[in-house]
Amino acid sequence: NAGVTQTPKFQVLKTGQSMTLQCAQDMNHNSMYWYRQDPGMGLRLIYYSASEGTTDKGEVPNGYNVSRLNKREFSLRLESAAPSQTSVYFCASSARVRGQGYEQYFGPGTRLTVT
Amino acid sequence: SQQGEEDPQALSIQEGENATMNCSYKTSINNLQWYRQNSGRGLVHLILIRSNEREKHSGRLRVTLDTSKKSSSLLITASRAADTASYFCATDEGSNYKLTFGKGTLLTVNP
Repeated sequence: NAGVTQTPKFQVLKTGQSMTLQCAQDMNHNSMYWYRQDPGMGLRLIYYSASEGTTDKGEVPNGYNVSRLNKREFSLRLESAAPSQTSVYFCASSARVRGQGYEQYFGPGTRLTVT
Repeated sequence: SQQGEEDPQALSIQEGENATMNCSYKTSINNLQWYRQNSGRGLVHLILIRSNEREKHSGRLRVTLDTSKKSSSLLITASRAADTASYFCATDEGSNYKLTFGKGTLLTVNP
């Protein structure tokens, strides 16, 4: 099993450009998450999807949109990138079913720089 | 806003010593989890302790939870250079599907 995969690994954007970060998991998990990690700030939740067909805002959703394409895939879109969105982005998934665990499994991250 | 807050922010020890990290949180929880992050990598789940548990062990890891003080501690015994990483606590309030992460403790184990 690959676990949680993310593409791309690195990306440089100019201010105003758009892009989509892709995430896929092969563990049949119900819930998926997008976080950003900035120095000294820990992980902050951008959006999450409790189950296929639902998405909800997290702590820092402004400037982002998400799509839960199917049970496996959860994408994050930056419509008009800003320098403040320079960060490392992590996707995670979790079963969140009694007897199957509540821990989250993380992808390797995408390092995004907006100039 | 951050739920868990780790203490200390950074810890440097010698190989073979024990490392203790603390986490404080603000609201009622369903469980509390600890994660490790090696430099440049994604987080890896270490251990989960439920709100009705007081102590849990996994290999060289020992986690305690005091719900009356809203605090948890992670003890790594007989540390190794490979334990060098950032450690995060995360709280699960149970009523939603989210974890709330603290800012982490950077542990450096010197050989």
